[in-house]
Amino acid sequence: QVQLAESGGGVVQPGRSLRLSCTASKFTFSTYGMHWVRQAPGKGLEWVAVISFDASNTYYADSVKGRFTISRDNSKNTLYLQMNSLRDEDTAVYYCAKDTTSRWYGYFDYWGQGTLVTVSS
Amino acid sequence: DTQMTQSPSSLSASVGDRVTFTCRASQGISNYLAWYQQKPGKVPNLLIYDASTLQSGVPSRFSGSGSGTDFTLTISSLQPEDVATYYCQNYNVAPRTFGQGTKLEIK
Repeated sequence: QVQLAESGGGVVQPGRSLRLSCTASKFTFSTYGMHWVRQAPGKGLEWVAVISFDASNTYYADSVKGRFTISRDNSKNTLYLQMNSLRDEDTAVYYCAKDTTSRWYGYFDYWGQGTLVTVSS
Repeated sequence: DTQMTQSPSSLSASVGDRVTFTCRASQGISNYLAWYQQKPGKVPNLLIYDASTLQSGVPSRFSGSGSGTDFTLTISSLQPEDVATYYCQNYNVAPRTFGQGTKLEIK
């Protein structure tokens, strides 16, 4: 059974940086696109970013463009989200999710359990 | 960017009722539409993809339909374990958007 495990969340001050990781197992990580999705407390789902299987394509939501960077290390079966210039409104549970295609245009068939990021002074 | 609008935002129904949710895209998305269920305190779970294909393991009381801009998710006979928030999402494009969700409760 596919497993996705996020880590790296925590409390951070506004303007600071944080890097999230998502470790994948039980599937061939290097052949699938991967996404980050977030959910602010009591709110709905917000798509954040996607990266293709070979990292040749990345796309971002307007709300994080220029501040967040998605990347991956296929040798370590790990997805990353580098979050810079964090704002209060970035407070959310961050999920990694597996795409059903190698690129970026599929739906999400597996999700991690999420990691909470709290931006607060 | 394509906007996804769900209605209603919340819904209360009785066990055994037929329940229908609606999702509308701001422009045509063919059948590139998925539905996710998120139970309270849990991770989202894929229910339907390609607008009408049931994900493996999902009970047959769930069904989806639609194409272009208008889509529906139907529960044929509501069960207590169906209490959740339901989200639609378009794919085959970037950036992606989710609908704002429909929260389903039992009367």
